[in-house]
Amino acid sequence: NAGVTQTPKFRILKIGQSMTLQCTQDMNHNYMYWYRQDPGMGLKLIYYSVGAGITDKGEVPNGYNVSRSTTEDFPLRLELAAPSQTSVYFCASSYESDTEAFFGQGTRLTVV
Amino acid sequence: GDSVTQMEGPVTLSEEACLTINCTYTATGYPSLFWYVQYPGEGLQLLLKATKADDKGSNKGFEATYRKETTSFHLEKGSVQVSDSAVYFCALRQTGNQFYFGTGTSLTVIP
Repeated sequence: NAGVTQTPKFRILKIGQSMTLQCTQDMNHNYMYWYRQDPGMGLKLIYYSVGAGITDKGEVPNGYNVSRSTTEDFPLRLELAAPSQTSVYFCASSYESDTEAFFGQGTRLTVV
Repeated sequence: GDSVTQMEGPVTLSEEACLTINCTYTATGYPSLFWYVQYPGEGLQLLLKATKADDKGSNKGFEATYRKETTSFHLEKGSVQVSDSAVYFCALRQTGNQFYFGTGTSLTVIP
């Protein structure tokens, strides 16, 4: 079972460049999430979606955009990369009710 | 708002020692509670969960009991192994809502 798949695994960006982090899940989950993980800071929610066509901001949305055109895919867009966006990014998905989230392997992004 | 507070690390134990990682929560309703584990270079994996008061979640020798009266969900293991070295996250979720994670506790088990 593939579960939640993120690409790429690693990326180095220059300041001001843009990129899209891809996330896809094959479990037909309605809920999808993007988190960033900084050392010693735990996970902070960037954006989430409760279904195709519906997205909402989390705790730290500035500098990011998302879309949810299908149930399976939830890409995260960085338009003007800044050093503060250097982090490890995790995509996750879950069912609607009080069930667990399934995480991807993460994308390690460095902005220089 | 909802939040999770967990014991700060890092924690270093000898193999076969007992482990307790404290986790307390603040929530307006009756959330589900989770422990996730993150091994180096990997994503988070569900370790165990409990969905209502007095439930005990267990997996791989780890246990945690949902204590509504103390708003706690402490993670315990009677005898840790080197392979348990990882970062452990406590989390809560209200039905249909987003997850809230603690800051994580790093555990290192030495032979």
